[in-house]
Amino acid sequence: GEDVEQSLFLSVREGDSSVINCTYTDSSSTYLYWYKQEPGAGLQLLTYIFSNMDMKQDQRLTVLLNKKDKHLSLRIADTQTGDSAIYFCAEIFSGGYNKLIFGAGTRLAVHP
Amino acid sequence: DTAVSQTPKYLVTQMGNDKSIKCEQNLGHDTMYWYKQDSKKFLKIMFSYNNKELIINETVPNRFSPKSPDKAHLNLHINSLELGDSAVYFCASSQGQGAYHNQPQHFGDGTRLSIL
Repeated sequence: GEDVEQSLFLSVREGDSSVINCTYTDSSSTYLYWYKQEPGAGLQLLTYIFSNMDMKQDQRLTVLLNKKDKHLSLRIADTQTGDSAIYFCAEIFSGGYNKLIFGAGTRLAVHP
Repeated sequence: DTAVSQTPKYLVTQMGNDKSIKCEQNLGHDTMYWYKQDSKKFLKIMFSYNNKELIINETVPNRFSPKSPDKAHLNLHINSLELGDSAVYFCASSQGQGAYHNQPQHFGDGTRLSIL
């Protein structure tokens, strides 16, 4: 089936690390993505990971993939107020056509 | 400069009207998409075109008709607008052809459609 789940809210203090979690159901999914949406704005591609990888790091962002548990996480180090946004996890539908299945999004609130 | 651009950014209209949203990408991508984001921020794909050919058509009312005059443009025409059509509509594009390419999708800034 096609289902991606995320917790809806996360609140962190500025300077702390944020960890946003996601679970997906399609074990054949080849790519998993993280997108960021700031208020009133479009979707910004943050990073993505191929299913044969366990980890990917890109500056303050670390993506961890546990394929056995179908669990994906995004860690943001030294979280800043500018990181406040909705973060969407998405998987590629394994049936083809590059169809993205999105989670409901996690609202990250960063407070002083 | 904008890679995927949509017009208009905001669209306010009355129930029953017909409206169009335009999308253009200057990335040289082969595939374009339309997504709908509802009031709860849930995103769902509507259509996808690869080189002007329709390849994804989710369960969308036939009041919605996409048109791709060339591979850099994908427009969305909506007939007889209903209250439930109020949403943010996002256009996206990706490199790669065929049914099984997995290239990342790049999104436009969205068109906020409000039906009165």
